[in-house]
Amino acid sequence: KTQVEQSPQSLVVRQGENCVLQCNYSVTPDNHLRWFKQDTGKGLVSLTVLVDQKDKTSNGRYSATLDKDAKHSTLHITATLLDDTATYICVVGDRGSALGRLHFGAGTQLIVIP
Amino acid sequence: DMKVTQMPRYLIKRMGENVLLECGQDMSHETMYWYRQDPGLGLQLIYISYDVDSNSEGDIPKGYRVSRKKREHFSLILDSAKTNQTSVYFCASSQVNNQAPLFGEGTRLSVL
Repeated sequence: KTQVEQSPQSLVVRQGENCVLQCNYSVTPDNHLRWFKQDTGKGLVSLTVLVDQKDKTSNGRYSATLDKDAKHSTLHITATLLDDTATYICVVGDRGSALGRLHFGAGTQLIVIP
Repeated sequence: DMKVTQMPRYLIKRMGENVLLECGQDMSHETMYWYRQDPGLGLQLIYISYDVDSNSEGDIPKGYRVSRKKREHFSLILDSAKTNQTSVYFCASSQVNNQAPLFGEGTRLSVL
């Protein structure tokens, strides 16, 4: 059973627009949640990590929220660029060390058009 | 330069052949992972290694084995590959203290 669900599956936006990606999960315990960016044919690169019960982070044009009560996270991308075209993957860690397991969503494929 | 290197990047094998995927990291990370990524699915953990000769099965270990004889090197072996092992395989490494795992660029394996 999929424990990390991402929506939408895919999204097309025009350069300069903002977008929001969603992640819902059922992983327990939920120690932390991380968003990764995966360019086509490449590996995953960490964008941000959220840890607290209600957390917010910001990393340039990327900002993220986490609500552990709702088991829900969002990733906001502001003023999208063509280079933002990628798959964005939500990952929930069930422990605060490598002894825990990482639970991966299937990703949201974002396409930014001129 | 912090990097996880996977070799080869692309591989085509026939069903029943043996396959060796190699992964190296230059950060002396204790923990290393092998995942596979299939369309529409999240990454699935095949094996995890906590250090030299300290390996544990992940969620889908059947049909795979691993070897870690040096901290910086972690191999994934498919004995008698099957067509359903066609996938993209990712290696990753991390420190024990839960820093973000660093991923390689993947090996795209096709088993015909």
